[in-house]
Amino acid sequence: NAGVTQTPKFQVLKTGQSMTLQCAQDMNHNSMYWYRQDPGMGLRLIYYSASEGTTDKGEVPNGYNVSRLNKREFSLRLESAAPSQTSVYFCAIATGASYEQYFGPGTRLTVT
Amino acid sequence: DQQVKQNSPSLSVQEGRISILNCDYTNSMFDYFLWYKKYPAEGPTFLISISSIKDKNEDGRFTVFLNKSAKHLSLHIVPSQPGDSAVYFCAALSENFNKFYFGSGTKLNVKP
Repeated sequence: NAGVTQTPKFQVLKTGQSMTLQCAQDMNHNSMYWYRQDPGMGLRLIYYSASEGTTDKGEVPNGYNVSRLNKREFSLRLESAAPSQTSVYFCAIATGASYEQYFGPGTRLTVT
Repeated sequence: DQQVKQNSPSLSVQEGRISILNCDYTNSMFDYFLWYKKYPAEGPTFLISISSIKDKNEDGRFTVFLNKSAKHLSLHIVPSQPGDSAVYFCAALSENFNKFYFGSGTKLNVKP
């Protein structure tokens, strides 16, 4: 997973708390993505950013906000965490040419 | 409703034999398909891809076949090795080349 870093690796929140998941890349790619992975559901797209300054909703955006701070960083914010947001969150980047995505190592979030 | 489906949650194969992982999709506008491999506690890593203008793409032990009329693709691994044991996700790229849709994954176990 070289090139894409995510912090934190693990987090436990109480219902109603807020937090921001951080993602940073050093590969100079334009597109960045946030996914969640749940058992039996595969990876579902939460938000994506095709370039610096733009963000768009994916399949499951409710309860989340994002910020594309600059070309390197794309953060995901949970304003009021709910148990349904317990999941593993992955950040990914992609070039426009080859369509391959490179994923970070993931953040395991538990909301109690 | 999931647009990309992997109907087999798991597959067990003997070392040296062929592994065949299947994937179906519903959106005929999908033009590009990818396979990813995921080990526990890591992010997915890109394996192989295929454009809709092709029906086969090969890379070493891995071959992806695409049947557009059936909206079906498959990943063949020959010969299978114990190190191939992982979860495999297929993914499709939306027609505007911005969003990726993932299947729910197939867990492959290659027995020595």
